[in-house]
Amino acid sequence: QKEVEQNSGPLSVPEGAIASLNCTYSDRVSQSFFWYRQYSGKSPELIMSIYSNGDKEDGRFTAQLNKASQYVSLLIRDSQPSDSATYLCAVNGRGGTSYGKLTFGQGTILTVHP
Amino acid sequence: DVKVTQSSRYLVKRTGEKVFLECVQDMDHENMFWYRQDPGLGLRLIYFSYDVKMKEKGDIPEGYSVSREKKERFSLILESASTNQTSMYLCASTTVGGQETQYFGPGTRLLVL
Repeated sequence: QKEVEQNSGPLSVPEGAIASLNCTYSDRVSQSFFWYRQYSGKSPELIMSIYSNGDKEDGRFTAQLNKASQYVSLLIRDSQPSDSATYLCAVNGRGGTSYGKLTFGQGTILTVHP
Repeated sequence: DVKVTQSSRYLVKRTGEKVFLECVQDMDHENMFWYRQDPGLGLRLIYFSYDVKMKEKGDIPEGYSVSREKKERFSLILESASTNQTSMYLCASTTVGGQETQYFGPGTRLLVL
């Protein structure tokens, strides 16, 4: 089993719809969870971080974390063509002893079509 | 504003050449990382450093070495470049503590002929 797995994609949604991106992780002691967006040919940029169970909202983005199920998701409301990118889920496994190391999922390609 | 810079955006080298990729961050971060990213394989950690002159191997260190002589600068060295090292190389940094975000540089696309 991969340490961090994302839904395989690619995911295609119409403009204005909700895009749902999912991620599961295998290390139960993981404490910090991140979603990065990566446009083609560019480097990843952070869009959301979440550390506690529940939902965290930032504009059109909502991250959801369920540590019991080892599951983290990202919802993008009112999807726009500019949201078309690869979304990377990243997990920090061991808190302060990890030196900030992250394990990344393979990424999910999202396409928002007009 | 957070800034991580990499010495080159694009690089073309020949097999057997020694290649230096340099990364500089201006955030006084303790931890720095080198990744490579390949289609279908995602981001893979090559090496990381948690302090000046301190380094640890990541998941794929073979064929690479690193140097961190100053806190702000982390170099990746390909001692003898090979065609299978053609890739996108990404540098990142973060401060101490488990909840800190990794900030990425713009990446270097390396082609080894």
